Amino acid sequence: QKEVEQDPGPLSVPEGAIVSLNCTYSNSAFQYFMWYRQYSRKGPELLMYTYSSGNKEDGRFTAQVDKSSKYISLFIRDSQPSDSATYLCATSSFGNEKLTFGTGTRLTIIP
Amino acid sequence: EPEVTQTPSHQVTQMGQEVILRCVPISNHLYFYWYRQILGQKVEFLVSFYNNEISEKSEIFDDQFSVERPDGSNFTLKIRSTKLEDSAMYFCASSTMPGASNEQFFGPGTRLTVL
Repeated sequence: QKEVEQDPGPLSVPEGAIVSLNCTYSNSAFQYFMWYRQYSRKGPELLMYTYSSGNKEDGRFTAQVDKSSKYISLFIRDSQPSDSATYLCATSSFGNEKLTFGTGTRLTIIP
Repeated sequence: EPEVTQTPSHQVTQMGQEVILRCVPISNHLYFYWYRQILGQKVEFLVSFYNNEISEKSEIFDDQFSVERPDGSNFTLKIRSTKLEDSAMYFCASSTMPGASNEQFFGPGTRLTVL
């Protein structure tokens, strides 16, 4: 079983729509959960960071973690064409420096 | 805004050759990382480095790989004898503190093509 699974997409939605991106993970030791955004020909850029279960909101972005079901979500409200990118979920456990990534979901927002 | 830089952006090499990928981390960062992404696959952790020592490495990071901070600014990844399966995008990252709770800033990557 893969440690972190993510639907690779691609996902296309019209501008203004709510986008839902999801990952599942298998390792119960994971406590840190991140969403990275990657534009073409660029490195991953941290978008949201969550520790343990719960919600975190930052502007149009909301990250949710449900540790009981090992499910990670990112919601984007009022999506914009500039949100078009690949979104990577990543996890890590306490005391560990390495990030374990999902495959990434390629998102396109259609104007 | 400070950023991680990597050179070259694209490296083409013959199988069996040695390559050195270079990174300049953000200047006040102390922790450095290499990740790789084979085309169509996940970003995978290779190694973390602090205080001139490897602090953590993955099973991918075998004897063919080495890392070095040769001076106060550069951080390098050397692959001694490249294989076809080493073809990938290699990302350098740096952070101020260790651990996943501290943001790792990624460079734009070096695309390595082994022929």
